[in-house]
Amino acid sequence: QVQLEESGGGLVKPGGSLKLSCAASGFTFRDYFMNWIRQAPGKGLEWVSYISSTGSLRDYADSVKGRFSISRDNAKNSLYLQMNSLRVEDTAVYYCVRDMGGDNFDFWGQGTLVTVSS
Amino acid sequence: DIQMTQSPSTLSASVGDRVTITCRASQNVITWVAWYQQKPGKAPKLLIYKTSNLQTGVPSRFSGSGSGTEFTLTISSLQPEDFATYYCQQTWTFGQGTKVEIK
Repeated sequence: QVQLEESGGGLVKPGGSLKLSCAASGFTFRDYFMNWIRQAPGKGLEWVSYISSTGSLRDYADSVKGRFSISRDNAKNSLYLQMNSLRVEDTAVYYCVRDMGGDNFDFWGQGTLVTVSS
Repeated sequence: DIQMTQSPSTLSASVGDRVTITCRASQNVITWVAWYQQKPGKAPKLLIYKTSNLQTGVPSRFSGSGSGTEFTLTISSLQPEDFATYYCQQTWTFGQGTKVEIK
């Protein structure tokens, strides 16, 4: 069965960096676009970034552009999110999400909490 | 960017009720809309994709419809496990959510 398992979340000070990882299993990872979507405490869902199946295409929400970088390693079935210059408003649960096609998100990980606080 | 506005923000209903949630886009949607259910402390779950297609394993009491700027999610007969928050989504934009509460 499809599984997505995020790791790497934690407490970081404003201006700091963190790298999230997502281990995928149960499907042919290299065939799918992947996304990071976040949810601030008590708030709604916010799309953060996507990467194409080969990694050749990427895009970011305006709120993270220039600070976050998405990447993948298809040999390791892994997705990553490098987060730099973190701000308090980046505090959220970050989900690793598979795109089944047409920007429909069919499988979500359990999420990893990132807290940015001094 | 297209904005997606859901209504209502909160809905109080009873088991067995027919429930409709509306999602309005700020401009014509030329692709499609998806709908997700989220329960407290859990990841969202895809219910409807490409506006009207039921995701595998989702009960048939859920349905989606719409075009242009107005889209709806309908639950034909609300069940106890359906009390949750629902989100619409178009490409990279999510609605703000509709919380379905017990009346």
